Amino acid sequence: AQSVTQLDSHVSVSEGTPVLLRCNYSSSYSPSLFWYVQHPNKGLQLLLKYTSAATLVKGINGFEAEFKKSETSFHLTKPSAHMSDAAEYFCVVTVGNYGQNFVFGPGTRLSVLP
Amino acid sequence: GAVVSQHPSRVICKSGTSVKIECRSLDFQATTMFWYRQFPKKSLMLMATSNEGSKATYEQGVEKDKFLINHASLTLSTLTVTSAHPEDSSFYICSIKSTDTQYFGPGTRLTVL
Repeated sequence: AQSVTQLDSHVSVSEGTPVLLRCNYSSSYSPSLFWYVQHPNKGLQLLLKYTSAATLVKGINGFEAEFKKSETSFHLTKPSAHMSDAAEYFCVVTVGNYGQNFVFGPGTRLSVLP
Repeated sequence: GAVVSQHPSRVICKSGTSVKIECRSLDFQATTMFWYRQFPKKSLMLMATSNEGSKATYEQGVEKDKFLINHASLTLSTLTVTSAHPEDSSFYICSIKSTDTQYFGPGTRLTVL
């Protein structure tokens, strides 16, 4: 069975400083991994996804994530935080090509301080 | 990615009434849609998988007679909360499946008084 751990429930950074949101997964098979962002009272927007191609994945709004099989990690990074990045971020793992059985992490709330 | 809409975005209803939430795929024919529930400051909980032209598949612990799902076309799935109670108040989000990715709607905030 798959599972996802997001080690930090809340991360706070200053505007213009780097962002690191951590995600570790557990999967019996080769996983697909996703990062979604959710702004308050909104749906989830896909930031990026890893599906067994390049291990360094670039997404929208300057975010990127690196798949490290040896560490079972898929941490999300951004070189310079913007105020508009303040939101909830979810790491998701799934197995297979069908996009079903999405397993969500508990989420990390990112605060960006001026 | 696919574009998904939900209607209404917010609804307030009295206890005992039924509420219907629509999920539409605007640019993609979706044979499979998903319905999630999200409690405040929590992650998403899958309620059911909606399959076009057949019965929905419900997750364990979700009452199918209370949360009626209809997926009558490739672009529309509806979730009806029957005889709503205050504990049904929540944020309901749908998604569609396109190959290996899910695309989410903007969500519906249900408040039951």
